[in-house]
Amino acid sequence: DQQVKQNSPSLSVQEGRISILNCDYTNSMFDYFLWYKKYPAEGPTFLISISSIKDKNEDGRFTVFLNKSAKHLSLHIVPSQPGDSAVYFCAASLQGAQKLVFGQGTRLTINP
Amino acid sequence: DAGITQSPRHKVTETGTPVTLRCHQTENHRYMYWYRQDPGHGLRLIHYSYGVKDTDKGEVSDGYSVSRSKTEDFLLTLESATSSQTSVYFCAISESGGTSGRDTQYFGPGTRLTVL
Repeated sequence: DQQVKQNSPSLSVQEGRISILNCDYTNSMFDYFLWYKKYPAEGPTFLISISSIKDKNEDGRFTVFLNKSAKHLSLHIVPSQPGDSAVYFCAASLQGAQKLVFGQGTRLTINP
Repeated sequence: DAGITQSPRHKVTETGTPVTLRCHQTENHRYMYWYRQDPGHGLRLIHYSYGVKDTDKGEVSDGYSVSRSKTEDFLLTLESATSSQTSVYFCAISESGGTSGRDTQYFGPGTRLTVL
């Protein structure tokens, strides 16, 4: 039972363009959503998060949008840079549960 | 960078042998987690700890046990390794669960385990 789903295993984007990574979830009780970034041979690192009471959070080139009615969130990267090439994981948490549920990940490749 | 180390970084073992992976932190964080990463499955929680001697199961805990006798160390044991436990294992730590924007989970570099 995959509660958090990233249906695109990979995405290729040209440098300078917008990258959009998508994530769907099934549990309406999730109260926080997070994105992590992972380079090869390294552990994931936190990128950006959003509370379920908001619909947008922005941090520099990264913006996360949350559509609760559709149980969908997306990560926008503008403009995309070669260093953004990595695997991106979407994660969600239930209020009071000090643990995360992760999606399968999307491998983003930025082409020069 | 958060002070998290994992040992060993790589291990090859045979089916049926016991294996212990170690996670060590220097941050004095309360929460520690063990995940496995597999293609098509992302990161899945195996076990986690919310204090010394306080642990709980994650979504894929069968075949694994954990122990935390000190704040800084969290051990993951495969009592009798199987080929399905071939994976990359990540340890993570956080002050308060890492489930909001005010806190985050910090991950170690990972251990690549191969069970032949």
